[in-house]
Amino acid sequence: QSALTQPPSASGSPGQSVTISCTGTSSDVGGYNYVSWYQQHPGKAPKLMIYEVSKRPSGVPDRFSGSKSGNTASLTVSGLQAEDEADYYCSSYAGSNNLGVFGTGTKVTVL
Amino acid sequence: EVQLVESGGGLVQPGGSLRLSCSASGFTFSSYAMHWVRQAPGKGLEYVSAISSNGGSTYYADSVKGRFTISRDNSKNTLYLQMSSLRAEDTAVYYCVKGSSSTILRYNWFDPWGQGTLVTVSS
Repeated sequence: QSALTQPPSASGSPGQSVTISCTGTSSDVGGYNYVSWYQQHPGKAPKLMIYEVSKRPSGVPDRFSGSKSGNTASLTVSGLQAEDEADYYCSSYAGSNNLGVFGTGTKVTVL
Repeated sequence: EVQLVESGGGLVQPGGSLRLSCSASGFTFSSYAMHWVRQAPGKGLEYVSAISSNGGSTYYADSVKGRFTISRDNSKNTLYLQMSSLRAEDTAVYYCVKGSSSTILRYNWFDPWGQGTLVTVSS
């Protein structure tokens, strides 16, 4: 199973919005409404930010939102803040024979 | 508070073995599937293995199949990963992760993650 495709980098100024794409196939992203997003600061463990395409766990700011269209999922961070600078990874269900496919990762820089 | 604490990482020679442990607290361990995810230095996340809540179902990525064995002891709230025939490409931080479901046969999101333990395979 190939990794999901994400842009290597994205950036925005404080207060702006940035959107990260996650492209898969009809066997993963496009086949299920089961996409999650993880934030990872340098030297730290990943943290769940979005699950089931657009649901936010408690404690995650509503500046973070998720969506999906066809084989591409997206994470949007609105009102960028300095602490949002991190790596972001998507993940999708791909069936019971292929668990936990991750994206290639996107480094978000707050200018 | 849910906590996952990994241990057992270290330096091992190619072809060697190592057992990782993950001690869980703050939730009913026996009710949730558990997973191992690794991250090579400077690289992205790679899914390694999963085990259902009762240990009856397991899953391995092709890259570790036949070399790694996942297990759990629900009486000790502990998850294990026995790694053998280790290769240089197994060098990574290994994260223990709690799944959102008892089964591995359907979608799980991963939350929370442990702090990770570093495995270095080198002569």
